[in-house]
Amino acid sequence: NAGVMQNPRHLVRRRGQEARLRCSPMKGHSHVYWYRQLPEEGLKFMVYLQKENIIDESGMPKERFSAEFPKEGPSILRIQQVVRGDSAAYFCASSPGQGVRGETQYFGPGTRLLVL
Amino acid sequence: DQQVKQNSPSLSVQEGRISILNCDYTNSMFDYFLWYKKYPAEGPTFLISISSIKDKNEDGRFTVFLNKSAKHLSLHIVPSQPGDSAVYFCAASAGNYGQNFVFGPGTRLSVLP
Repeated sequence: NAGVMQNPRHLVRRRGQEARLRCSPMKGHSHVYWYRQLPEEGLKFMVYLQKENIIDESGMPKERFSAEFPKEGPSILRIQQVVRGDSAAYFCASSPGQGVRGETQYFGPGTRLLVL
Repeated sequence: DQQVKQNSPSLSVQEGRISILNCDYTNSMFDYFLWYKKYPAEGPTFLISISSIKDKNEDGRFTVFLNKSAKHLSLHIVPSQPGDSAVYFCAASAGNYGQNFVFGPGTRLSVLP
């Protein structure tokens, strides 16, 4: 499967625990994006990363949320001390990063986080 | 404040007929627009895009129309097929690099056999 991979597909956490969501971009893609979708809403941009760099984190909550895209390995979205309001579907997307204006982002299947 | 609006939460169309999904935006800086389709439990799939230098883009059964003065775009699907039943998201981007997409809330299309 050469598509964007996300794991786990489903994650259950209790309030106060940490959630780690992983995303492996499509082969050859160097740009990764994270989006969050709350029930009955559209996708909301969170953060845009290139390898070892955060390019745009304007959509990321200032506290408890962090993201990284290391030189080796998947991109990680980390949510510390989760609260019930963090329950959502988190989608990762990747793009080739060729500098094409508005290049298409290819989405993974998402991780559905449930905070009890 | 929603910058990208899809005012119809749902739409039902008969198989073989035309489906028209609408999208309005408020940010005049948006200059690139995309439509994504999403099935339950899957990630969004890219359908078609349009740049603000055009007013129409066509790909098979899918055509997107852009009316910049009205800040409105629409997706036409002709003919509609039952497999088109999904949630359709309109997305827009702005800026020099335009990698930050703003998504609308989606319209759920049901194509009835």
